[in-house]
Amino acid sequence: GESVGLHLPTLSVQEGDNSIINCAYSNSASDYFIWYKQESGKGPQFIIDIRSNMDKRQGQRVTVLLNKTVKHLSLQIAATQPGDSAVYFCAENGGGTSYGKLTFGQGTILTVHP
Amino acid sequence: EAGVTQSPTHLIKTRGQQATLRCSPISGHTSVYWYQQALGLGLQFLLWYDEGEERNRGNFPPRFSGRQFPNYSSELNVNALELEDSALYLCASSTGTSGGGDEQFFGPGTRLTVL
Repeated sequence: GESVGLHLPTLSVQEGDNSIINCAYSNSASDYFIWYKQESGKGPQFIIDIRSNMDKRQGQRVTVLLNKTVKHLSLQIAATQPGDSAVYFCAENGGGTSYGKLTFGQGTILTVHP
Repeated sequence: EAGVTQSPTHLIKTRGQQATLRCSPISGHTSVYWYQQALGLGLQFLLWYDEGEERNRGNFPPRFSGRQFPNYSSELNVNALELEDSALYLCASSTGTSGGGDEQFFGPGTRLTVL
């Protein structure tokens, strides 16, 4: 079956450090991947996405890396700030009968210490 | 531009009752998605509607149902509520241009509590 999982459930960093959040996925047919940030009491907020024909995509302070060979996804946050503290979810769109359905990982709690 | 809106913010029901949750997508978006986020769990896909039709469904019993209206807003109905239905129900919308493979924007959610 399909699943998206995270290697680390929690991550604590100091303000200004770079953060890396990892995610493994099992559906090799997945063609679209998204990282979301969820703050307490709010819905998930889109951070960055990547399609399977790419291996890297950069946004403002964030970079997503996709390694299809080992089915691994990572989110890099540069110069992490206290406002980045949240739960981060990776999600995949599996295509085929799973199209339209995002499969989410369990989430990684990122805590940024001033 | 207004984001995805959901109502009510909180909903308290007793076991066996029915709950109705509502969602208004971002203007111009034709696809609406529903997810359940139970405490301590990730988001679980419930339903996807596009152009008024159900396009895909997650592994939930038939008592979870919904519909999409001509204005693209959507309703999620949960019948015969059970205690384990207590969760945050999130609605998302997208442009639908990629047939379901495009960015989904989420609303703030409806917190359903079943007593």
